[in-house]
Amino acid sequence: AQTVTQSQPEMSVQEAETVTLSCTYDTSESDYYLFWYKQPPSRQMILVIRQEAYKQQNATENRFSVNFQKAAKSFSLKISDSQLGDAAMYFCASYTGNQFYFGTGTSLTVIP
Amino acid sequence: DVKVTQSSRYLVKRTGEKVFLECVQDMDHENMFWYRQDPGLGLRLIYFSYDVKMKEKGDIPEGYSVSREKKERFSLILESASTNQTSMYLCASRPQGLFSYEQYFGPGTRLTVT
Repeated sequence: AQTVTQSQPEMSVQEAETVTLSCTYDTSESDYYLFWYKQPPSRQMILVIRQEAYKQQNATENRFSVNFQKAAKSFSLKISDSQLGDAAMYFCASYTGNQFYFGTGTSLTVIP
Repeated sequence: DVKVTQSSRYLVKRTGEKVFLECVQDMDHENMFWYRQDPGLGLRLIYFSYDVKMKEKGDIPEGYSVSREKKERFSLILESASTNQTSMYLCASRPQGLFSYEQYFGPGTRLTVT
């Protein structure tokens, strides 16, 4: 079975600062994809960023970037210039074999 | 934009009741999913469907069943609700295709069984 581990149940960051959310995964597959999803309070879960395992270059989407360490099976999310709207639950997920596997989530608080 | 809707945001049912959770997507996606979200456990897959009338068990199918009579609609059924099924239920859809791996989620239904 695939597992995705988020070891930080809660994180906080000062507005305008940078925060990094950690994620590790375990897969024996060679072909897989990794994602970070954001779930704001009482709102729909949306995709933040994705990374194809075969790509060496780290994905970037505006203020969001990842540090993908394939050998270490690590996939962290960096949020730069944090904003109040970044406050949410963040889920790391892997996709392989037509199925998604989710971590337990990290609740991010942004302090004004 | 893809839209995935769920019939209720909040639902309160009694133990032993039959409960239907409905999910509708408007983008002609082949794949649809039902997840259960609990604090500290993340999202766990209950059932998924890759075509009309097709269904596959996920990681925690016990106590649940599903129905997909039309492509746009995927229903989750709790035959006899129990208190341990109190949870947030998320529906998602995804198109078929080699590179179509992005899931689109509904707003969720928070079910309380008393």
